[in-house]
Amino acid sequence: AQTVTQSQPEMSVQEAETVTLSCTYDTSESDYYLFWYKQPPSRQMILVIRQEAYKQQNATENRFSVNFQKAAKSFSLKISDSQLGDAAMYFCAYRSADGGTSYGKLTFGQGTILTVHP
Amino acid sequence: DSGVTQTPKHLITATGQRVTLRCSPRSGDLSVYWYQQSLDQGLQFLIQYYNGEERAKGNILERFSAQQFPDLHSELNLSSLELGDSALYFCASSVDEALRTEAFFGQGTRLTVV
Repeated sequence: AQTVTQSQPEMSVQEAETVTLSCTYDTSESDYYLFWYKQPPSRQMILVIRQEAYKQQNATENRFSVNFQKAAKSFSLKISDSQLGDAAMYFCAYRSADGGTSYGKLTFGQGTILTVHP
Repeated sequence: DSGVTQTPKHLITATGQRVTLRCSPRSGDLSVYWYQQSLDQGLQFLIQYYNGEERAKGNILERFSAQQFPDLHSELNLSSLELGDSALYFCASSVDEALRTEAFFGQGTRLTVV
């Protein structure tokens, strides 16, 4: 079974600075997808960025980028020019590309609470 | 707004009772997923339906059941409720079966068992 670990329960950053959230995962599969979701106080789960394991290029979405290290099974999220609205719980998630019996199952990490200081 | 609607937003009930949580997926989405978020277990996948049929099952208790109706809305039934069932229950939807596209989450139903 796949597991996802976020070792930082809490992180903080100053507005306009850069912060990196860590995520590691364990899998025996070669093809899979990785995601970062944001959960603000409104509780809504919002997709921030996704990465296909077969792509070597790191995904980027505006101020959000990932550092995907497949051999190390590491998938960190970098937030540049942090804004007050970035304050939220961030979850790393894994999905098998196999389909099979897992189909659309997402396996989540425990989450990292990000505080942004003005 | 993700387009996924969950009702009710909050629910308080007593131990031993039965409740039904409802989810309306985004227009055009055929897959519905249920997740449970609790402090001790984190976010756990419960079950997935695609076009009315069960597709994947996670750590769902036998006291819990779900179904997806012909109009594609889904219901999660929780029975013989225990204090430990208190959690945030999310529904998500996607167009396809294997989540090759994005899953959109509802705002969740906060269940409190007293």
